[in-house]
Amino acid sequence: QVQLQQSGPGLLKPSQTLSLTCVISGFSVSRNSWDWIRQSPSRGLEWLGRTYYNSKWYNEYAESVKSRITVTADTSKNQFSLQLNSVTPEDTAVYYCTRSVQWGAFDIWGQGTVVTVSS
Amino acid sequence: EIVLTQSPDTLSLSPGERATLSCRASQIVRSNYLAWYQQKPGQAPRLLIYGASSRDTGIPDRFTGSGSGTDFTLTISRLESEDFAVYYCQQYGSSRTFGQGTKVEIK
Repeated sequence: QVQLQQSGPGLLKPSQTLSLTCVISGFSVSRNSWDWIRQSPSRGLEWLGRTYYNSKWYNEYAESVKSRITVTADTSKNQFSLQLNSVTPEDTAVYYCTRSVQWGAFDIWGQGTVVTVSS
Repeated sequence: EIVLTQSPDTLSLSPGERATLSCRASQIVRSNYLAWYQQKPGQAPRLLIYGASSRDTGIPDRFTGSGSGTDFTLTISRLESEDFAVYYCQQYGSSRTFGQGTKVEIK
């Protein structure tokens, strides 16, 4: 049974860096694609970015956060991470890590992390 | 960016009734890469349908996805109590974007 367990701080101040980690159990991080998605009342569900392995590691990011985001994988810990720089209150949302299958549908989701950006 | 518009915003129905949810894309969705999700309060979304019409593992056959190009539909043949939730469509033919959701509520 594949499971994703998220961890990371839930409260940040503006200009700080958001860092979340997603530990994978029951599946290898070197297979499939691993994505981050966030959800807020104002922006709805928003895909942020992904990492995947195909002879080497690749990344793909949403245009809306491309200048601020990094998604990385750690094969030794079988996990992947999100880093979002220079956060503002608009980055307040529930953040989810997910597994992507069938070219881009998200079949496994983490439990979600509520992230609040406030001074 | 492909914009997905779902209709209606809210659907008020009784258990046992048929629900028909629409998702319209601003451009053709390549290879019908369109998924549907169900989300209940406090939970992560759950994948129901991928590739416009394929049910994910364990999804009951009362959920049916159809459509192609720019127009897609999720049909729930007979609503059960656990089906009252918010439903989202998502395209993955060009980057990934989600619709704004349709809430299926008890009438």
